Amino acid sequence: GENVEQHPSTLSVQEGDSAVIKCTYSDSASNYFPWYKQELGKRPQLIIDIRSNVGEKKDQRIAVTLNKTAKHFSLHITETQPEDSAVYFCAASKARGSQGNLIFGKGTKLSVKP
Amino acid sequence: GAVVSQHPSWVICKSGTSVKIECRSLDFQATTMFWYRQFPKQSLMLMATSNEGSKATYEQGVEKDKFLINHASLTLSTLTVTSAHPEDSSFYICSAVSGGASEAFFGQGTRLTVV
Repeated sequence: GENVEQHPSTLSVQEGDSAVIKCTYSDSASNYFPWYKQELGKRPQLIIDIRSNVGEKKDQRIAVTLNKTAKHFSLHITETQPEDSAVYFCAASKARGSQGNLIFGKGTKLSVKP
Repeated sequence: GAVVSQHPSWVICKSGTSVKIECRSLDFQATTMFWYRQFPKQSLMLMATSNEGSKATYEQGVEKDKFLINHASLTLSTLTVTSAHPEDSSFYICSAVSGGASEAFFGQGTRLTVV
C-alpha cells in the first residue's frame, strides 16, 4: 500500500522567514496530494492541494510543488507569521473521480517565533 | 467548505462498555467516510473506509469486531468502540468526501477516555 514519509518532524523559523516541508510517497498511482494544517485540539483543515497533472500551485503565501518522477512533493510557506504555527500533514491518495482514502505523513510541527 | 459534524466531542467511559461516535455530513452527501485515530503528537492513522450501504474496509491491524462501523445513510456514519479498554483512549476523527471530489472534510474529532 501507499506509504508517505514527511520531513522534518519539527521546524522552527523566525517570523518573516520561509518554511519548507517535504514529503515522499511510494505508490506511483497516487494522484492527489493535499496539505492539512491542524491546530492543537482542532480538526485538520485543508490549506492547499495539488493533482498529479500539475507541477506547482500557489495560493498567496503558500505553494506546493510536485515531482512525479521522484515521487515527492513539498509545501512552501513564505513570510511566515506566528499564526502559521501548527502541525502540518501531507497526504496522498489515488482518487480517480471517486473517493480515495488519504494516507497521511507523520506531521511537521511548525513554530514561528515572533 | 462542506461541514462535517462529529458527536460527541469528548466522552469518558468505563472499561468494558461500548461507545458510539457519530459522523454527519451536514450539507452534502458523502458516499464515503473515513475514520482515523490520532495519538497525542502523532499523525492521523486511517482505521477504516466506510461506504454507504456496504461493509467497511478496515486497515491492516484494525479489529473490525472491536471497531464497528455503520454507514446507513449518505449523511451518517457511526463508529462503535466495543468493550473499550484504556488503550483505546485516543482522539478519533472522521472525514467525508463529497461526490466526485477528492478533498476530505474533517469532523471536529472525539476524544475518548476509557477509565
